[in-house]
Amino acid sequence: GQQLNQSPQSMFIQEGEDVSMNCTSSSIFNTWLWYKQDPGEGPVLLIALYKAGELTSNGRLTAQFGITRKDSFLNISASIPSDVGIYFCAGPNYGQNFVFGPGTRLSVLP
Amino acid sequence: NAGVTQTPKFQVLKTGQSMTLQCAQDMNHEYMSWYRQDPGMGLRLIHYSVGAGITDQGEVPNGYNVSRSTTEDFPLRLLSAAPSQTSVYFCASSYTTGTGEAYNSPLHFGNGTRLTVT
Repeated sequence: GQQLNQSPQSMFIQEGEDVSMNCTSSSIFNTWLWYKQDPGEGPVLLIALYKAGELTSNGRLTAQFGITRKDSFLNISASIPSDVGIYFCAGPNYGQNFVFGPGTRLSVLP
Repeated sequence: NAGVTQTPKFQVLKTGQSMTLQCAQDMNHEYMSWYRQDPGMGLRLIHYSVGAGITDQGEVPNGYNVSRSTTEDFPLRLLSAAPSQTSVYFCASSYTTGTGEAYNSPLHFGNGTRLTVT
């Protein structure tokens, strides 16, 4: 089946640093989603992207829909402790279903 | 507005027992789905439904049954639990995009059910 790759798998950063992560697919997508999961909670939608080249921000978060339509990027500026969690990318699979990447686990050191 | 509600939050079963994980949404979403989350494997689709009376299998359907008698509810049944079904289960829903739309509407998730089978 379709698979997404996310990198890095995990990262440890100092509070205040900027963060970059990406997601790649072997297929072309018409939609990219980025979710964050806090411990013990369900994934929460951060940003949805619908057009190649699109750059969308949500507070300190910025995501981009890659030009090739096979990748997407998420940046977090000036990280804070509450940014800790797992970040998932997702793309359409078949019908209205989505396939999810394995996640990037972010730890923020004070 | 509760969104997607899952019950119970935690459950421990013995091998061979049966149970139903409940999922309800109050957003009038046509599409609902069940995922399981295992360490290092992300979220994998178990079953999904595009509307009341319609269900279909996802990536990992074996050992699970679903039904969709109303728009709001989408229960997941384990008929004979196995240790391999120890996982965190998430229900998600979305509205249905129109035919020909060039995008997929995002999923809204519940807070999960953590299931342990001993």
